[in-house]
Formats: sequence, structure tokens, C-alpha cells
Amino acid sequence: DTAVSQTPKYLVTQMGNDKSIKCEQNLGHDTMYWYKQDSKKFLKIMFSYNNKELIINETVPNRFSPKSPDKAHLNLHINSLELGDSAVYFCASRDLGHTGELFFGEGSRLTVL
Amino acid sequence: SQQGEEDPQALSIQEGENATMNCSYKTSINNLQWYRQNSGRGLVHLILIRSNEREKHSGRLRVTLDTSKKSSSLLITASRAADTASYFCATPHEKLTFGTGTRLTIIP
Repeated sequence: DTAVSQTPKYLVTQMGNDKSIKCEQNLGHDTMYWYKQDSKKFLKIMFSYNNKELIINETVPNRFSPKSPDKAHLNLHINSLELGDSAVYFCASRDLGHTGELFFGEGSRLTVL
Repeated sequence: SQQGEEDPQALSIQEGENATMNCSYKTSINNLQWYRQNSGRGLVHLILIRSNEREKHSGRLRVTLDTSKKSSSLLITASRAADTASYFCATPHEKLTFGTGTRLTIIP
């Protein structure tokens, strides 16, 4: 069973469209994250939720809206997509009470044309 | 602000040689973690070293930590083609901040 799964793996869309990426973890972790990895491999945190509550919201355009229906799911919705949104988006989870090790999904590559 | 920064950005070595990567960080930590990312995949946790530890081993991996210099190193011994990947260090504050990684290429 995949611990952290995200869908879709690839997403190609036009500028101005709205799209969502879904993430689910079956590890029982309390905390989930969205990271963005650009073409230079820099991994930047976007959001973090702990038990469905937003705890980290970095300087991200408000076109990006995370939603956590329960602690096992954290979805990312992006409105009015722009060329600069093209990147690989990673979902991750961890249990803060233990080592703090992050478990990552396989990534969702978003290409905005 | 970016916490962990890896050095070098890229490293190519022959199979069987040892590979050493370095990481510098800015603030005090309670532990430091190393991750590997294969091309097109997510990051995978390799090893964690606590602030009161100076060295830790796991298989062919050896990690050192110097809190006075705010630096860590990852040594991979007897490298294999399968070790080709990007390696990241991370300092686990609430945000678990990563650097840009070291791209390691093992030449068969």
C-alpha cells in the first residue's frame, strides 16, 4: 500500500484554468504538507495542516487554496493558473511527535501552457 | 528563509568510489535529516542525526554533524549506479526546510 498518494501524477493545462491535486496518507499522521519544487530542484514549503487546521501558510498567491476534509487528506486547488505555476508539487506527511521524518508522495508535475 | 544548503551542487564519481556531500544550516537544531530523491520521484528519508550525536552510520551511509560549525556531511561509501540521485539535507523545524540538493551521478 502506498503511504502517501497524490493524483494526478501529470497535469497539463492552459493558462487561466482551475485545477486540483489530491493527496491522501494512510500512515495515521497528524500533519500534512504541500511543497513546490521548481526546475532548479529547490523545494519550497507552501502549506501545512495539522488535524485539518492550517498551521503554515507561506507567501503563496491566494490563487492557491488548500483544503483538508480530514486529517488523512490534503488537497490543493489552484485558480487562474499562470505559466509560473509550472512545477512539481509534492504532498508529504509526518507525525510531529516522533522523529519528524517526512513521508513524501511521488509528486504531481503541473505544466501550464 | 532557506535553512539547509548542500554543497557541491553536483558531483560525478566512478562507481566504487566514495561520495561526500556537505550541508550548512543557519539556526540551532535538535536534529538534521538527509533525504534522497531519484529522478521523477518523491523524497525518501535516509538518516537522521540528533544534535547530541557527532556521527551516525546506516549501511553504506555515514553522517557527521558539527553543531559548532552548523554543518553536516553525508558520506556514501563504495558507490553504486543506483546511488545516482539528488540528496537533500533538512532541518526539522515546524516547516522542515530543504536546500537545493546535491545531484550525485555515479558513472558505471
